[in-house]
Amino acid sequence: GAVVSQHPSWVICKSGTSVKIECRSLDFQATTMFWYRQFPKQSLMLMATSNEGSKATYEQGVEKDKFLINHASLTLSTLTVTSAHPEDSSFYICSARGTGTREDTGELFFGEGSRLTVL
Amino acid sequence: AQSVAQPEDQVNVAEGNPLTVKCTYSVSGNPYLFWYVQYPNRGLQFLLKYITGDNLVKGSYGFEAEFNKSQTSFHLKKPSALVSDSALYFCAVSVETPKNKFYFGSGTKLNVKP
Repeated sequence: GAVVSQHPSWVICKSGTSVKIECRSLDFQATTMFWYRQFPKQSLMLMATSNEGSKATYEQGVEKDKFLINHASLTLSTLTVTSAHPEDSSFYICSARGTGTREDTGELFFGEGSRLTVL
Repeated sequence: AQSVAQPEDQVNVAEGNPLTVKCTYSVSGNPYLFWYVQYPNRGLQFLLKYITGDNLVKGSYGFEAEFNKSQTSFHLKKPSALVSDSALYFCAVSVETPKNKFYFGSGTKLNVKP
């Protein structure tokens, strides 16, 4: 099946620094990627949708200058949390939908998630 | 507004017994329904989907779900639960086309006891 790789799995950073999380589709071309945030014992909150080669579409209430998303190629999207603060600590998950047989049925493939802790 | 409801935060079942995890949806348009499973500190794994056709869909690991349009439900079921099925389960819906963004339910924690 399609594989989405997310890196790093865990990251701890100091308040005020920026952190970049990468999401790669390993065996398919991801025309669309989604970034989610998950709080403990809660559901996934969609942050933004990114399409290759164009600007990301952010959900209401998500600060685009705080959470920078870049989808420069068909296999890579990055989320950069700028000037991170403790309240940004969360589990971030990317998912991808790509070209190929599964695109028509809309199945999303998820990365393993990245646990961000801001001290 | 589109929404998905998973009315149970937690479901407890004994190993070997049948399990049901409930999901209802409220959408304006044709729904496309999905179930995913999440293990601790991991991403989501796809279980099954309903796009069109038979209302009863079968998926991974022996799970199945039935699309009920009149009751706007898509409950997840398994005839015989395993301890290894213990995880967090999410129902999701996409509207009008499965290519649209997903709306996720709040998740249901399934505990299977030996």
